[in-house]
Amino acid sequence: NAGVTQTPKFRILKIGQSMTLQCAQDMNHNYMYWYRQDPGMGLKLIYYSVGAGITDKGEVPNGYNVSRSTTEDFPLRLELAAPSQTSVYFCASRLQGNSGNTIYFGEGSWLTVV
Amino acid sequence: DAKTTQPPSMDCAEGRAANLPCNHSTISGNEYVYWYRQIHSQGPQYIIHGLKNNETNEMASLIITEDRKSSTLILPHATLRDTAVYYCIARGGSEKLVFGKGMKLTVNP
Repeated sequence: NAGVTQTPKFRILKIGQSMTLQCAQDMNHNYMYWYRQDPGMGLKLIYYSVGAGITDKGEVPNGYNVSRSTTEDFPLRLELAAPSQTSVYFCASRLQGNSGNTIYFGEGSWLTVV
Repeated sequence: DAKTTQPPSMDCAEGRAANLPCNHSTISGNEYVYWYRQIHSQGPQYIIHGLKNNETNEMASLIITEDRKSSTLILPHATLRDTAVYYCIARGGSEKLVFGKGMKLTVNP
């Protein structure tokens, strides 16, 4: 298993540009999450999904969109990039239900908006 | 999921045990206590989790009080590589998974 794979690892965007951060997992996990982490700060939940076709907002959803057309993929879309979206983005996944299931994280995507 | 409270930071001498506290006074019966850590710029790493009983694995031990309102993560022999931000999460059946600010552990030589 590759686990949770994020691409790209690094990206520089100009203000107003759009881009998609890709996230894929090969563990057949129902739940997937997108977090952002600003320098020196904790993780903030952007969006999450409990299965294909189902997504919901987290703590900081503004400026982002997600889709979940398959169990494996959970892309995060930035439509009009702003400097405030400069951050490290982490994708994560876990199995449904059982409270004992652990969560797996990708290695992160570093995004700079200039 | 129940709210958890951790001190913002803590220091520990290399080779000594690091005892990381977490308060989760509103935890409900079906919520597990999870610990993760994040070493600089990397994705968070799972450490250990437990429900009622104390747990131990190759990384750490988790001590949960009898009333389950608090817990302590123990790193028995802290090394410089244990310097990280540690997150304590109380998680039940909620689909959301929200991390708090965590606690910065600095292991000093």
